[in-house]
Amino acid sequence: AQSVTQPDIHITVSEGASLELRCNYSYGATPYLFWYVQSPGQGLQLLLKYFSGDTLVQGIKGFEAEFKRSQSSFNLRKPSVHWSDAAEYFCAVGPLYNTDKLIFGTGTRLQVFP
Amino acid sequence: DVKVTQSSRYLVKRTGEKVFLECVQDMDHENMFWYRQDPGLGLRLIYFSYDVKMKEKGDIPEGYSVSREKKERFSLILESASTNQTSMYLCASNRRGSSYNSPLHFGNGTRLTVT
Repeated sequence: AQSVTQPDIHITVSEGASLELRCNYSYGATPYLFWYVQSPGQGLQLLLKYFSGDTLVQGIKGFEAEFKRSQSSFNLRKPSVHWSDAAEYFCAVGPLYNTDKLIFGTGTRLQVFP
Repeated sequence: DVKVTQSSRYLVKRTGEKVFLECVQDMDHENMFWYRQDPGLGLRLIYFSYDVKMKEKGDIPEGYSVSREKKERFSLILESASTNQTSMYLCASNRRGSSYNSPLHFGNGTRLTVT
């Protein structure tokens, strides 16, 4: 079955520290992979996406993610976190069964301390 | 830039009421989606529509229905609201058959409280 797992419900980091948010997926073929961010009171915004090519993809706001097929992972990273990065982050995979539907992970809430 | 607008930011309704959540997009997208967001459960798909008058059940359609009479508008209907439908509801849209090149665009959400 297709699924997405984000093992960390809540992560706290200090401003300026590096960040890695984990995402593991189960999918029968090569998936489309996405990371979205939800700032407080907002809808979700696309950070980056991956389907093929270079396994390290760059996104907006200084984020990057690395696709590792052998580990079925697509972890999100940022070298130096800013206080404005405090938000909830969702990993998503798809499409499902010849539709345009995606499966979303349960999200990781990031808290940033000054 | 794509804009997905949800008509209400906050709604408070009573148990048993019929509730309409409205969503409008301005980019001529074929696909529109309604998700429910709950802490620890992430986003769960309620219904989606891939064209006018076309709809498909998602993972949690029970207690909900939808209406898509015009391409730009997708309504979520709670026929008889219950307290377990208290949640954040998110609408999204994208082009059909293009989920990679046309990623989902989300509205800002409607926080519904049923008392």
